Amino acid sequence: GAVVSQHPSRVICKSGTSVKIECRSLDFQATTMFWYRQFPKQSLMLMATSNEGSKATYEQGVEKDKFLINHASLTLSTLTVTSAHPEDSSFYICSPQGDRGSYTFGSGTRLTVV
Amino acid sequence: TQLLEQSPQFLSIQEGENLTVYCNSSSVFSSLQWYRQEPGEGPVLLVTVVTGGEVKKLKRLTFQFGDARKDSSLHITAAQTGDTGLYLCAGGRGAQKLVFGQGTRLTINP
Repeated sequence: GAVVSQHPSRVICKSGTSVKIECRSLDFQATTMFWYRQFPKQSLMLMATSNEGSKATYEQGVEKDKFLINHASLTLSTLTVTSAHPEDSSFYICSPQGDRGSYTFGSGTRLTVV
Repeated sequence: TQLLEQSPQFLSIQEGENLTVYCNSSSVFSSLQWYRQEPGEGPVLLVTVVTGGEVKKLKRLTFQFGDARKDSSLHITAAQTGDTGLYLCAGGRGAQKLVFGQGTRLTINP
């Protein structure tokens, strides 16, 4: 159980464009979704937490208008990086949490902004 | 503020040697997880410890949760090249968000 699908695994985009990352929980319902960002050789840093049907709560220093999170269903959440800049290049990882409370992670999305 | 201090952050040893990675905090956690992450992939859960003093073994890996539930250790016996990777500890408090340590980048040389 607790299978997570995150797409795309890699994406390259031009500066100023937007990129959408999808995270699906395939065999459980994710009442809560955590989105993390990981820079090279660093640990995971939490960006935001969202509960299904509610607005996301963003960590300090994370721009909510730049990183749009949608958690409209219990099996799908999306993170959209708007007006991407090279400094947004990073590894983005989702972590859906179901009612069992276990922590499962997606396989990550490597975003490169050129 | 880094609530979980993980050490060492980098470790390079020869195959066959033993090693220990530490995860320390001044805060109490209801559970502590250890993950291993390969390049370009998400973290994969190795173990969860929830009881103070708990010891769990996973083949050559031994995980311990401190009596006060503020610290944990990961010990690898007879390391193999396949153990190379990034090891992360993360503390949880009920249904709240996980707090991650800085990670330990382990390299096992043949």
